[in-house]
Amino acid sequence: EADIYQTPRYLVIGTGKKITLECSQTMGHDKMYWYQQDPGMELHLIHYSYGVNSTEKGDLSSESTVSRIRTEHFPLTLESARPSHTSQYLCASSDGVRVINSPLHFGNGTRLTVT
Amino acid sequence: GDSVTQMEGPVTLSEEAFLTINCTYTATGYPSLFWYVQYPGEGLQLLLKATKADDKGSNKGFEATYRKETTSFHLEKGSVQVSDSAVYFCARYTGFQKLVFGTGTRLLVSP
Repeated sequence: EADIYQTPRYLVIGTGKKITLECSQTMGHDKMYWYQQDPGMELHLIHYSYGVNSTEKGDLSSESTVSRIRTEHFPLTLESARPSHTSQYLCASSDGVRVINSPLHFGNGTRLTVT
Repeated sequence: GDSVTQMEGPVTLSEEAFLTINCTYTATGYPSLFWYVQYPGEGLQLLLKATKADDKGSNKGFEATYRKETTSFHLEKGSVQVSDSAVYFCARYTGFQKLVFGTGTRLLVSP
């Protein structure tokens, strides 16, 4: 039973297009994250948020941007997609404010292919 | 910096074999430690966790013990099943409250 939802699951798009990957959670979590997972499985944190109107860049430089206007919603946008953006994108959330070191809950991911 | 290192895969086992996947962490502070599992086509799921030294996390027959003296958190299962085939990730929190993952270990279990 998923409490964190990502859409679309799969997306194939041409170079130069603008795309937004959606992520929503129903758990009321303050912390949300975007990870990029490369074909070798390694996970890289690209964005995170500690709450509404809070966004930070992660450890891996990314050309994407995020917004956090509502607690439950944390969309990721690519203004101009390129083949190098082809990857799996995983959204996660945690109750990190009330519980220190709480585990992350992940969505099922969006697999993006840019042609 | 704060990191975890886990053994490379793939790990290939026959059903009912004993499983160990090694994970070590850098000894900065006393981080909470986690194992996550990723089944094909899905996101990551929390498998187990431990928050302090000598804690043992367990779930679905998997176990891992937080060992401060060896800075390790190895994942074990006494008898694997085909359905355990997945990618397993060790993870820890950094001092900046971000979760960092190991590179993942793919487990393949054959009947």
